[in-house]
Amino acid sequence: AQTVTQSQPEMSVQEAETVTLSCTYDTSESDYYLFWYKQPPSRQMILVIRQEAYKQQNATENRFSVNFQKAAKSFSLKISDSQLGDAAMYFCAYRGGGGADGLTFGKGTHLIIQP
Amino acid sequence: GAVVSQHPSRVICKSGTSVKIECRSLDFQATTMFWYRQFPKKSLMLMATSNEGSKATYEQGVEKDKFLINHASLTLSTLTVTSAHPEDSSFYICSARDAGNSPLHFGNGTRLTVT
Repeated sequence: AQTVTQSQPEMSVQEAETVTLSCTYDTSESDYYLFWYKQPPSRQMILVIRQEAYKQQNATENRFSVNFQKAAKSFSLKISDSQLGDAAMYFCAYRGGGGADGLTFGKGTHLIIQP
Repeated sequence: GAVVSQHPSRVICKSGTSVKIECRSLDFQATTMFWYRQFPKKSLMLMATSNEGSKATYEQGVEKDKFLINHASLTLSTLTVTSAHPEDSSFYICSARDAGNSPLHFGNGTRLTVT
């Protein structure tokens, strides 16, 4: 079974600064997808960024980028120029390449933005 | 973008009664829908996977007779919590995708409180 580990229950960053959220995972599959989701107090799950395991290039979406290290099974999220609206729970998630499976989520990191 | 509507957003029911939660894909056909449960300040746990026209696949430890899932059409899946007890109180979230490896779209969730 796949597992996703987020070792930082809470992180705090000053507004406009950069923060990195860590995520490691365990799988025996070679083809899979990794995701970062944001869950604000409204509880709506918002996709932040997605990475296909077969792609060597790290995904980026505006201020959000990932550092995907396949051999190390690491998938960290970097948020640049942090904004107050970035405050939320962030969940790292894994999905097998077959596409039929649901997501396996990590326990989440609560990100606090200090004004 | 694709929208998943979940209803109701909040429901309070008495112990022993049943409650139905609906998950609808509004602008796409959802061949697969997933149901998750989230306890306060915890991660999302996959409960079951439902495919249109077939029986749902439940994760280990999830009681299929308690959590009835029906996916009768390509736009609607329902989760019925039968004979609800206070320990069933939780946040339930559905997600859906149309086909293959397309991204998952999440509903806004349902907060169930059993008194």
